[in-house]
Amino acid sequence: DSGVTQTPKHLITATGQRVTLRCSPRSGDLSVYWYQQSLDQGLQFLIQYYNGEERAKGNILERFSAQQFPDLHSELNLSSLELGDSALYFCASSPHGGGGYGYTFGSGTRLTVV
Amino acid sequence: SQQGEEDPQALSIQEGENATMNCSYKTSINNLQWYRQNSGRGLVHLILIRSNEREKHSGRLRVTLDTSKKSSSLLITASRAADTASYFCATDPNTGNQFYFGTGTSLTVIP
Repeated sequence: DSGVTQTPKHLITATGQRVTLRCSPRSGDLSVYWYQQSLDQGLQFLIQYYNGEERAKGNILERFSAQQFPDLHSELNLSSLELGDSALYFCASSPHGGGGYGYTFGSGTRLTVV
Repeated sequence: SQQGEEDPQALSIQEGENATMNCSYKTSINNLQWYRQNSGRGLVHLILIRSNEREKHSGRLRVTLDTSKKSSSLLITASRAADTASYFCATDPNTGNQFYFGTGTSLTVIP
């Protein structure tokens, strides 16, 4: 157990639907990162939150949004789902928002859009 | 692209041999990390090397960094079947600790 908890582990949904992925960071970590891993795109950085505030955006689609709550857990919302959104979604956490710290990854949520 | 690229894409070796993977990147970086991923699982942090460091060791792992060539290598010595996994390098071109991952090297260690 890495200390980063992601739920659910698996999710199957239909095109056009909306889903919410949840992440609880490792205890004491203030920064949360979301990544998408697909076969053709590899690991893509989506977005980073630090202590409740958005810190950086990567290749996140407008249909996707995220937030980090006061208890530091984070949610990634995916809407108007398309077949191409099928992927593994990982959450990672680190102690701070900068300074070169290694990430602790969760075990991921496997999203299948049918 | 800000991502690094690992080379080779796939590597197959016998148990006990050494495995070397390379990573090249395009922009200047603050830090470089290596991660391991077992099939379909989360990534595990192996080692972080800062831009002012040239070499780092951790157990059977040795990482080198050449910022003039924008490249890094990961050496796994005396490989074991349990080392079978994909290995990724990740670089942070900014100061905000956002890491961009390469495409990975798939390592198979044959018992």
